[in-house]
Amino acid sequence: AQKITQTQPGMFVQEKEAVTLDCTYDTSDPSYGLFWYKQPSSGEMIFLIYQGSYDQQNATEGRYSLNFQKARKSANLVISASQLGDSAMYFCAMRDSGNTPLVFGKGTRLSVIA
Amino acid sequence: DTAVSQTPKYLVTQMGNDKSIKCEQNLGHDTMYWYKQDSKKFLKIMFSYNNKELIINETVPNRFSPKSPDKAHLNLHINSLELGDSAVYFCASSQVTGLEQYFGPGTRLTVT
Repeated sequence: AQKITQTQPGMFVQEKEAVTLDCTYDTSDPSYGLFWYKQPSSGEMIFLIYQGSYDQQNATEGRYSLNFQKARKSANLVISASQLGDSAMYFCAMRDSGNTPLVFGKGTRLSVIA
Repeated sequence: DTAVSQTPKYLVTQMGNDKSIKCEQNLGHDTMYWYKQDSKKFLKIMFSYNNKELIINETVPNRFSPKSPDKAHLNLHINSLELGDSAVYFCASSQVTGLEQYFGPGTRLTVT
């Protein structure tokens, strides 16, 4: 069975600083995908970044990068140059090969301080 | 040109009532999902439909019945609502060959 663990219930970061949100996962399927979603206070789920298990390079999308360490089964999200608008809940999720539902972690609440 | 839409956005109702939440996607995706987000923000899959057929049905009370009239729609009907059903319900869709799941805006259900 798949499992996602986010050990940081809450994080604070100073504006313009970088922050790393931790995520570890467990699965027996060699083919899987890892996702990060952002949920601001307005409630919608916003897709940020994706990493496939066979991808050789770490995924990057603008200020977001995914630090993928396959041997450690970790997929940490790095947000560079934090902005006040980055304050939100962040969810790590995964799904195995095929069109399967996402399994989510419990989320990390990020607060960016001016 | 909303990709995944849900109605209503807010739903307040009393215990024992029956209610429905509608979901539509205009992305041409073949798989749709219902997720429940509880008061602690934990998101969990409830149902998954592929080409109008139920493929995943997690441990959900049978008071919850999904209905997919066509590939673009997946509605959720809830009978005999209970206080514990209060949550945010998200619809999502994806393509078999795709990566990302697109989420609807969510429906906040409050049972009083």
